[in-house]
Amino acid sequence: EAQVTQNPRYLITVTGKKLTVTCSQNMNHEYMSWYRQDPGLGLRQIYYSMNVEVTDKGDVPEGYKVSRKEKRNFPLILESPSPNQTSLYFCASSLYSFNEQFFGPGTRLTVL
Amino acid sequence: DAKTTQPPSMDCAEGRAANLPCNHSTISGNEYVYWYRQIHSQGPQYIIHGLKNNETNEMASLIITEDRKSSTLILPHATLRDTAVYYCIVIGPGNQFYFGTGTSLTVIP
Repeated sequence: EAQVTQNPRYLITVTGKKLTVTCSQNMNHEYMSWYRQDPGLGLRQIYYSMNVEVTDKGDVPEGYKVSRKEKRNFPLILESPSPNQTSLYFCASSLYSFNEQFFGPGTRLTVL
Repeated sequence: DAKTTQPPSMDCAEGRAANLPCNHSTISGNEYVYWYRQIHSQGPQYIIHGLKNNETNEMASLIITEDRKSSTLILPHATLRDTAVYYCIVIGPGNQFYFGTGTSLTVIP
């Protein structure tokens, strides 16, 4: 089944404890992206990747890192999480940037 | 940056057509208009996209004005399952996506 998977789905952590949210797609898509969703602010793009080893900042990249070492994986790294990064996070992929994006199920992160 | 403006909320009677407007006055000539929807806190779902011409698929129709400064998503026969937040987006410079806050559509029985 063609899909985008994210892990974990739920995470509660404390300020400053490094964490990684994984994202994987099995559709051989070139474009991958991370979004965060907060009440009243809609979906905001954090980082995106056009292909392996190519990543770019989105609207709200501060406090996040990404890597794209393989086409199928696009992990989101929070080196030192803070409470303002408490949010619902979505990973998405598409064949190219101008194609339909497929979204993962979301990761709900709480930073205490 | 090509951004969009949508009404925050709309209601539609079940079985009637739902017409969701979107303004994108700064859109560039080679930028596409996309529509997605999100039900509760699930991942957004692609609906349709277009460049200049009107488009139709099994889910909806997309009408883009001739000057491309606005568009309308049409759900021809809205059902209760169409209650969702609908996002109109365009591809920004450098292939960034700007989702905005969308329109919350409530389909009323």
